[in-house]
Formats: sequence, structure tokens, C-alpha cells
Amino acid sequence: SYVLTQPPSVSLAPGQTARISCWGTNIGSKSVYWYQQKPGQAPVLVIYDDSGRPSGIPERFSGSNSGNTATLTISRVEAGDEADYYCQVWDYTSNHVIFGGGTRLAVL
Amino acid sequence: QAQLVESGGGLVKPGGSLRLSCEASGFTFSDYYMNWIRQAPGKGLEWVSYITNTGSTIYYADSVKGRFTISRDNAKNSVYLQMNNLRAEETAVYYCASGIYGSGRSDYWGQGTLVTVSS
Repeated sequence: SYVLTQPPSVSLAPGQTARISCWGTNIGSKSVYWYQQKPGQAPVLVIYDDSGRPSGIPERFSGSNSGNTATLTISRVEAGDEADYYCQVWDYTSNHVIFGGGTRLAVL
Repeated sequence: QAQLVESGGGLVKPGGSLRLSCEASGFTFSDYYMNWIRQAPGKGLEWVSYITNTGSTIYYADSVKGRFTISRDNAKNSVYLQMNNLRAEETAVYYCASGIYGSGRSDYWGQGTLVTVSS
């Protein structure tokens, strides 16, 4: 079945730019969704259809998707951005929702 | 605003059964497909099951197929997950999540209900 791979963690200082990758075979042909999950809370959709931003999500959050890699970019990271981030696609071969393993963003 | 509230979690012995419920409010439930997604303690998100807005199409993760059953009652704005023959490794917070735009996108999430499978 389709597999999405994310780095386990990303660490950076406040004000820097975070780039979180999501690797999957020919992922560029799929729509990618990104969710933010803070400790003890339910996930929140932060990017849809590769690069769309739901209402209420800051412009600092952006996404891209091409080839075998989708990327969530968070500009000017803040302490409040510390969270786990998950990518997600729909696998039309198996009709399954597929999540990446998640990336923990630490703002040092 | 949109709200999803799960219930029915608890402690169950291995091999036992449990029925989770998720009640929706604040949006037109009958327009939305629904997912159940779980998260084991300290682990990532794992999709469990999907049901279309009318209930006509249903999908399951391979790990639960044949043991779990998803259903919905649009008159009650509710979706359900019947879980049979539960295993210890299925201890997790179970979330219901809803979407309308396709591709499994989940715009609304509940706060989750904890299922503990232990003897």
C-alpha cells in the first residue's frame, strides 16, 4: 500500500523558516493535506490541496507538492507553532486515507 | 460552529466489543463524509474507516476489516463505529472527523474518545 515518509523531528530557533517534508511515490500527482496537532488536542487542518490555506490559518503557513516530495513551510516560526505535523493523501488504488508518520517541530 | 463529540470509549478486555458514537452539530451532517481515525499513546495518526455522506460507500483499513463496522444515521446527525474482537494494540484515542471536499480531507475533528483494551 501507499507509504508517506516524514522526518521524525525538526528543530529551529524562533524567526527561522521550517520546512517539513513528506515523501511518497509520485506524490505530486495527489492532493496533499497537512494537519497540526498540539499536545492533548485534536488535529487541525492547516493546508489543503497542496497549498490551500483554510480560513484562520496564518499566511506564514504554506505548502508545495512536486515529484516525490510535498513540503509544509512555516515562515518566521513562533513558540506557538510547536506541534506534531502530519501529511495525508488519499490512495485511489486501495481507497484508503494515508497519513505520514508525523514530524515534531521544536522551536528552541 | 461545527462540532463533533465522540462517546462510548472505555476499558474493554481483549476480544471484547465496544461501540463508539460521534454526534455532529453546527453543519449539514448529511452533506459530509466521515472518517474514524485513531492514535495510540505516543504514536501517530492511523486512519480506521470512511463512510460517504449517504452511507452508500464504506472503506476500512486492512487492520480492522472484518472486525469493525462503520455506520451513520443522518436523522440523528451521528456516525458510529462498532468494534469487535478488540486487541491490546488497538488501545488509542479514537477521533471522528468530517469532510466534504473529497480525498479524505478532514476539516472538522472531535476531541476523541479513549479506548483501552486490557485484561
